[in-house]
Amino acid sequence: QITLKESGPTLVKPTQTLTLTCTFSGFSLSTSAVGVGWIRQPPRKALEWLAVIYWDDDKYYRPSLESRLTITKDTSKNQVVLTMTNMDPADTATYYCAHAVVLISDYYFDYWGQGTLVTVSS
Amino acid sequence: SYELTQPPSVSVSPGQTARITCSGDAFPRQYVHWYQQKPAQAPVLVMYKDSERPSGIPERFSGSSSGTTVTLTISGVQAEDEGDYYCQTADSSGAEFGGGTKLTVL
Repeated sequence: QITLKESGPTLVKPTQTLTLTCTFSGFSLSTSAVGVGWIRQPPRKALEWLAVIYWDDDKYYRPSLESRLTITKDTSKNQVVLTMTNMDPADTATYYCAHAVVLISDYYFDYWGQGTLVTVSS
Repeated sequence: SYELTQPPSVSVSPGQTARITCSGDAFPRQYVHWYQQKPAQAPVLVMYKDSERPSGIPERFSGSSSGTTVTLTISGVQAEDEGDYYCQTADSSGAEFGGGTKLTVL
């Protein structure tokens, strides 16, 4: 049974760096064709993909946010960490991590965490 | 990057057929995947690779593709199908979600 859970601060100040941890079970991030992605959703708005990391440590970022994002994995701890620098109130959102099934040139998310709401405010 | 276009809303009566479309310039080269999201819940995958249904998803959900449009069809809609539906695709530059379609069961 695959499960994922996000953890991190619920409130950050503008200009601060956000660090979110995704702790998962039921799969290994060293298994071929497996990845973990981060997706966010501002209140009452659509889903927005942020980043994904593959089993082979390939990493991909949303182009418009690439300069602010870093995704890493710790296979031994079954964790994926996302950092986002220079937080702004516009980054207020529920942040989800999700298990990715990696295809030849595509991927989709078949298991999602419950999400964590991050509010950016002074 | 590319844009995925979905209708903002679709309304149907119980038992009718709901069709939610997703249009994009990247189609048909890229697969489309669909997610259902109910209020205050995480999204759930309901269709992948255009027309593959994950285990546990009712057979009334189906997917099809034609040209630059991919369609999620829900036959015999039930009240529990109400929610937001998002299409998603990905390539070497990253993933993208559509703007979402709110399905209302009248």
